[in-house]
Amino acid sequence: DGGITQSPKYLFRKEGQNVTLSCEQNLNHDAMYWYRQDPGQGLRLIYYSQIVNDFQKGDIAEGYSVSREKKESFPLTVTSAQKNPTAFYLCASSSGPLKPNQPQHFGDGTRLSIL
Amino acid sequence: GIQVEQSPPDLILQEGANSTLRCNFSDSVNNLQWFHQNPWGQLINLFYIPSGTKQNGRLSATTVATERYSLLYISSSQTTDSGVYFCAVGAASNTGKLIFGQGTTLQVKP
Repeated sequence: DGGITQSPKYLFRKEGQNVTLSCEQNLNHDAMYWYRQDPGQGLRLIYYSQIVNDFQKGDIAEGYSVSREKKESFPLTVTSAQKNPTAFYLCASSSGPLKPNQPQHFGDGTRLSIL
Repeated sequence: GIQVEQSPPDLILQEGANSTLRCNFSDSVNNLQWFHQNPWGQLINLFYIPSGTKQNGRLSATTVATERYSLLYISSSQTTDSGVYFCAVGAASNTGKLIFGQGTTLQVKP
């Protein structure tokens, strides 16, 4: 079945360590997004990519980095510069720039915690 | 930027009851979506509805873009409807970016 796969489901980070969250989709979508959700809050956009080899900062990009080398994959790295990384991270995709206002579909998320 | 306000923040219903959730937004939008987040964190797209009315089973949604609000109706609620309902809007810049409201937490009691 087509969908978005995020891994791992749970991730623990030590102080000063970078960690990478995986997001893969087989929906043939051009656009992909990373969101952060804190307890009791809505989602906030970290980075988004409308096409391969291109991405833009969202509202809370500091301390995060991304790459988009393949259409299917949009990994997010949480760097040591992110001082409060504990959160629920959600990846989404949609059709892309030719059809920008289409439904976004989400993966099941990764819960990141600090050790 | 666009502000999105959802009401009520919390709602408790008895199974079988009906409810209306509201989403107000502060500027013109060309993208509005309703999502349901279940207790396990999974986010499901319910409606893509920048204007007009749509129905899907017991759920329906109406967006009045000129008055900058959207409503989500849940009829004959079931315990499986419990969770958080988010409204998200996109501005007219056509980037696909969404701005989420804070959500309405719904608890349906048996």
